Amino acid sequence: QQQVKQSPQSLIVQKGGISIINCAYENTAFDYFPWYQQFPGKGPALLIAIRPDVSEKKEGRFTISFNKSAKQFSLHIMDSQPGDSATYFCAAMRGNEKLTFGTGTRLTIIP
Amino acid sequence: DTAVSQTPKYLVTQMGNDKSIKCEQNLGHDTMYWYKQDSKKFLKIMFSYNNKELIINETVPNRFSPKSPDKAHLNLHINSLELGDSAVYFCASSAYTGSTEAFFGQGTRLTVV
Repeated sequence: QQQVKQSPQSLIVQKGGISIINCAYENTAFDYFPWYQQFPGKGPALLIAIRPDVSEKKEGRFTISFNKSAKQFSLHIMDSQPGDSATYFCAAMRGNEKLTFGTGTRLTIIP
Repeated sequence: DTAVSQTPKYLVTQMGNDKSIKCEQNLGHDTMYWYKQDSKKFLKIMFSYNNKELIINETVPNRFSPKSPDKAHLNLHINSLELGDSAVYFCASSAYTGSTEAFFGQGTRLTVV
């Protein structure tokens, strides 16, 4: 069973636009929600993360929006750049247990 | 300086063979992992070790045997390789079990023919 559902599977955005990737989770015990970025031929790397006690976290052009009641969180990339083209994974974690990853979103930024 | 390094980067082998992938981390972390990423990019944890002890085994076939000689190394040995084992295998580490950031290696692309 997929505990973290991610959409869309792929996304094409024009340079300068806003990229939005959504995730939904089922387990209300999850208390940490990171986003990982993976470039081709590389391993995933932590991009930004949030805990459920805040509704938004911003780091540069990257923002996580978190809706605890809806059990949803999303990644927004403002002013998207070709260098942002990568696969993005949301994930969720409970306490000291394992990371559960979403299915990934392949983001392509076109000029 | 490579934080989590795994070798080889590419591995092509015939069905039925036995192969190993090596992983080393120089971050001083206590916990190491093996993940499998399939052709659809889905990332699934296989094993987790903390200080050389197995913590998580996600119902992986027993043809897969991890070995941790010390906390800086976690190798993956695969017996009797099958076509379905073709995937990218990632090693990762974190400071401790439950640490909020995992550091991934560059992956080993295994192709079974």
